[in-house]
Amino acid sequence: DVKVTQSSRYLVKRTGEKVFLECVQDMDHENMFWYRQDPGLGLRLIYFSYDVKMKEKGDIPEGYSVSREKKERFSLILESASTNQTSMYLCASTLFQGNYGYTFGSGTRLTVV
Amino acid sequence: DAKTTQPPSMDCAEGRAANLPCNHSTISGNEYVYWYRQIHSQGPQYIIHGLKNNETNEMASLIITEDRKSSTLILPHATLRDTAVYYCIVNQGGKLIFGQGTELSVKP
Repeated sequence: DVKVTQSSRYLVKRTGEKVFLECVQDMDHENMFWYRQDPGLGLRLIYFSYDVKMKEKGDIPEGYSVSREKKERFSLILESASTNQTSMYLCASTLFQGNYGYTFGSGTRLTVV
Repeated sequence: DAKTTQPPSMDCAEGRAANLPCNHSTISGNEYVYWYRQIHSQGPQYIIHGLKNNETNEMASLIITEDRKSSTLILPHATLRDTAVYYCIVNQGGKLIFGQGTELSVKP
């Protein structure tokens, strides 16, 4: 089975800190995605990547950046964390652009205090 | 962008079939319909997807109307572990855009 592993299940950071959320998949998937999930707002796409060193903005990229230096790893970066970035962050991957099922990680619940 | 509409919540008796509807009236001809579910505090889990024809796998069946404007996910024998939020999604150029989903409660 494909596994998408997110480095932390729970994370607490202070306002203004630089935060790295790591995501690794083990099945050579080209496509990787970062979502955040908030009550009443559902899952919203932040950034995605179709290949190494390639990135595309999703619906809510403000305050975030990403890095994809290796195919298996997709990092979400909060340059200066703010309290409104407290959320559940979900990483996903899929084989390549097209009509295949996505595999999601278990999520990282980030709290910014 | 194609959008989906689902009822916010549904109940189903354990052992009975759960039929979850979804409207996607603005879907384009080459856009697939996906279904995912999310159990509390876990990442979404892929269930099934389809384009035109009905699909079945070990988890569920997907019935898509001929005009492709709506679909129904069928869990043939719901169990308590099927209690979750179910999302109907149209794949938009390789991106999954989630709606609010249907919260399915399976009751003993």
